[in-house]
Amino acid sequence: NAGVTQTPKFQVLKTGQSMTLQCAQDMNHEYMSWYRQDPGMGLRLIHYSVGAGITDQGEVPNGYNVSRSTTEDFPLRLLSAAPSQTSVYFCASRSPSGGRGFYNEQFFGPGTRLTVL
Amino acid sequence: GIQVEQSPPDLILQEGANSTLRCNFSDSVNNLQWFHQNPWGQLINLFYIPSGTKQNGRLSATTVATERYSLLYISSSQTTDSGVYFCAVGGSSNTGKLIFGQGTTLQVKP
Repeated sequence: NAGVTQTPKFQVLKTGQSMTLQCAQDMNHEYMSWYRQDPGMGLRLIHYSVGAGITDQGEVPNGYNVSRSTTEDFPLRLLSAAPSQTSVYFCASRSPSGGRGFYNEQFFGPGTRLTVL
Repeated sequence: GIQVEQSPPDLILQEGANSTLRCNFSDSVNNLQWFHQNPWGQLINLFYIPSGTKQNGRLSATTVATERYSLLYISSSQTTDSGVYFCAVGGSSNTGKLIFGQGTTLQVKP
């Protein structure tokens, strides 16, 4: 299994541009989440999904959109990038039970480092 | 929402020393994880430990859920242990949402 994968690894945008950060998992996890990590801080939840077709907001959802059309994929869209969205973005997934022998453990992707000029 | 506090915020050790990192949380939780973020930014799962004690090599963790704290022990520290250690908890909604502490930055000197 590849686990949780994210693309791209690095991205530079200009203010006002839009883009989509990709996240995929091959563990058949129902729950997927997006977090952002700013310098010197822990991770903060942006959006999450408890299954295909179901999404909800986290702590810091403004400026981001998500959708979940399949179990495997959970893309994060920046509609009009702002310098305040410069951050490292992590995608994570979790199984409600079973799945690699763990229960409720959350697994993180390698992150996408985004800079907005 | 649940508050998570980690201490100490920074820690410097000589190689071979032992250390204890603490995580306090403000409400009952049904999952708790410890992560190590290495210098390349990767988040490594250390322990899933909503209660009880676990050990993995030189690392061990204990969570006392009734008293709302968890401890991460690092014994015989190595330079590769350097990085940031995060505690993250999930509440009763069990939707996979994790609330992270601010982290403990550990530097192990040779």
